[in-house]
Amino acid sequence: SQQGEEDPQALSIQEGENATMNCSYKTSINNLQWYRQNSGRGLVHLILIRSNEREKHSGRLRVTLDTSKKSSSLLITASRAADTASYFCATDANRGGSNYKLTFGKGTLLTVNP
Amino acid sequence: GAVVSQHPSWVICKSGTSVKIECRSLDFQATTMFWYRQFPKQSLMLMATSNEGSKATYEQGVEKDKFLINHASLTLSTLTVTSAHPEDSSFYICSARGGRRTDTQYFGPGTRLTVL
Repeated sequence: SQQGEEDPQALSIQEGENATMNCSYKTSINNLQWYRQNSGRGLVHLILIRSNEREKHSGRLRVTLDTSKKSSSLLITASRAADTASYFCATDANRGGSNYKLTFGKGTLLTVNP
Repeated sequence: GAVVSQHPSWVICKSGTSVKIECRSLDFQATTMFWYRQFPKQSLMLMATSNEGSKATYEQGVEKDKFLINHASLTLSTLTVTSAHPEDSSFYICSARGGRRTDTQYFGPGTRLTVL
């Protein structure tokens, strides 16, 4: 299975509520990144958390990383209708060299209802 | 900063023709560019990685003769889908790595390819 796997696959909430998405992975990593994708568009980088970090904040986003459980969570507080999008986690497990790449999870489709 | 553009944003072509998609890093030099394919409601599948001036590295199962990648400069990479077939219809997204941050990829807006 893929390195990163998010759950839930889909999440529907009301505006103002918090949304939590989880990501699990299998191998050791250098960092884990969260991206957002609006329907039919490219990905936007949200936040990066390194393997030696446990929590990171950016505006209404809060990311945690538990390397012992090989999992991460993305929390969006006070959600807005404009937060409706797919959210992907991606892991950087590269060991140097020229073959750097990220491995993406399957994504969580978040719908925020006004 | 760190803007990546793709052209065209969408293209419709007949089966058997070739289609070229351009990916440009507008305000930074991209040491590496990546090409992904995405089917509806699915994740991104990495097709190939290209470093400027060298041959692309293709992921397992991706036909290099069908998906030609050229990375002629530090700001431009192209993906050519040769002899396109309806099953090649997909959303193709490029990303670039470089600039001040090398631990992040900056994504283009994607190209929707429809092969009739």
